Amino acid sequence: GAVVSQHPSRVICKSGTSVKIECRSLDFQATTMFWYRQFPKQSLMLMATSNEGSKATYEQGVEKDKFLINHASLTLSTLTVTSAHPEDSSFYICSARGSRLSTDTQYFGPGTRLTVL
Amino acid sequence: AQSVTQLGSHVSVSEGALVLLRCNYSSSVPPYLFWYVQYPNQGLQLLLKYTSAATLVKGINGFEAEFKKSETSFHLTKPSAHMSDAAEYFCAVSEGKYGGSQGNLIFGKGTKLSVKP
Repeated sequence: GAVVSQHPSRVICKSGTSVKIECRSLDFQATTMFWYRQFPKQSLMLMATSNEGSKATYEQGVEKDKFLINHASLTLSTLTVTSAHPEDSSFYICSARGSRLSTDTQYFGPGTRLTVL
Repeated sequence: AQSVTQLGSHVSVSEGALVLLRCNYSSSVPPYLFWYVQYPNQGLQLLLKYTSAATLVKGINGFEAEFKKSETSFHLTKPSAHMSDAAEYFCAVSEGKYGGSQGNLIFGKGTKLSVKP
């Protein structure tokens, strides 16, 4: 139980295009989903937190107009990187926390490697 | 504010030797503490967690960690390393049951474990 998937696992795009990353909780309802960014050989940095049906809360320094987050259902959250630039290249990881599972534990997806050319 | 310090960005042990990965935390309220493991190009997998119950916590793959309030530590150990244990390990703290207002995790910088044959 508590499986979180991400799609795509890898994406390469041209500078200026937008990229959408999906995060799904496969066997539980995720009341809260988190989006992280991880640079090479570094730790995870929280970008934003989203609760189903409400607007995401962004961490300081994260541009909400550039990183659009939608948590439209209890099993799906999407992160859209708009007008991507090479500096947006990174490993993006989502996590989910569910109402019926241990509410103190986040379950992580496998990550999405974004490369912007 | 909470914080996590992982001593040693890289630890190398021989197969069969004791694994000790250090984690110290700072928190103004009783913390919830987690250890996650990350294999290359993958997301994070929960190893174990401390949530104010028993101070010695047993996790998956033979790992365990002991919460020591007096030392503000939550070191991860495994009696005998296996080649498959080679990965990046992250310690994280969540303040209170939901980590402040929204259950955020604060991660350490990670420790890369290498296992020599």
